[in-house]
Amino acid sequence: SQQGEEDPQALSIQEGENATMNCSYKTSINNLQWYRQNSGRGLVHLILIRSNEREKHSGRLRVTLDTSKKSSSLLITASRAADTASYFCAFDFSGGYNKLIFGAGTRLAVHP
Amino acid sequence: EPEVTQTPSHQVTQMGQEVILRCVPISNHLYFYWYRQILGQKVEFLVSFYNNEISEKSEIFDDQFSVERPDGSNFTLKIRSTKLEDSAMYFCASSGRAAQAETQYFGPGTRLLVL
Repeated sequence: SQQGEEDPQALSIQEGENATMNCSYKTSINNLQWYRQNSGRGLVHLILIRSNEREKHSGRLRVTLDTSKKSSSLLITASRAADTASYFCAFDFSGGYNKLIFGAGTRLAVHP
Repeated sequence: EPEVTQTPSHQVTQMGQEVILRCVPISNHLYFYWYRQILGQKVEFLVSFYNNEISEKSEIFDDQFSVERPDGSNFTLKIRSTKLEDSAMYFCASSGRAAQAETQYFGPGTRLLVL
């Protein structure tokens, strides 16, 4: 199976704290993308990391990729209440015509 | 900033009816996709479309589903005879090129409820 797993399933933190979400997969990938989804809404692209990259930053977001462990992490620093959402990793597997396989997601709640 | 748009935002239909979900991808994109998300579950790939034909489809995308790009801007998903289990949020996405690492941009979704 090409499915990925995410942990934790849910994360509750206070504003100002950092939030770390993890994602693992089973077979080789072209790239890995992280998306945010506010409750019942669309998917907002956050960041894409290619299989030959180890780390990328975008504002308060930091993504790492460890292809030897087949895992990725998304770090949100200095979290805000507006960061409350579900976060999904999505894999573009080699030779997959760019279809994305999504993880189950992490529900992040940031409390003021 | 260019974005993917979808209409309608919500659709309620009776079981057995046909529905057409519409999408306008980002204008210079070449690859188009439909995904769905049943409430509380993962986002699932349905189909990818390039050069006026299906590139890949999942097991979910059976004979009751079809896609079409009727003109230069719209991309549609048709469900011929809806079932209760088709109730879900349907997302359209587009990307610039398939080869190696391209971001997929998603629309806001159409929430389909089959009664």
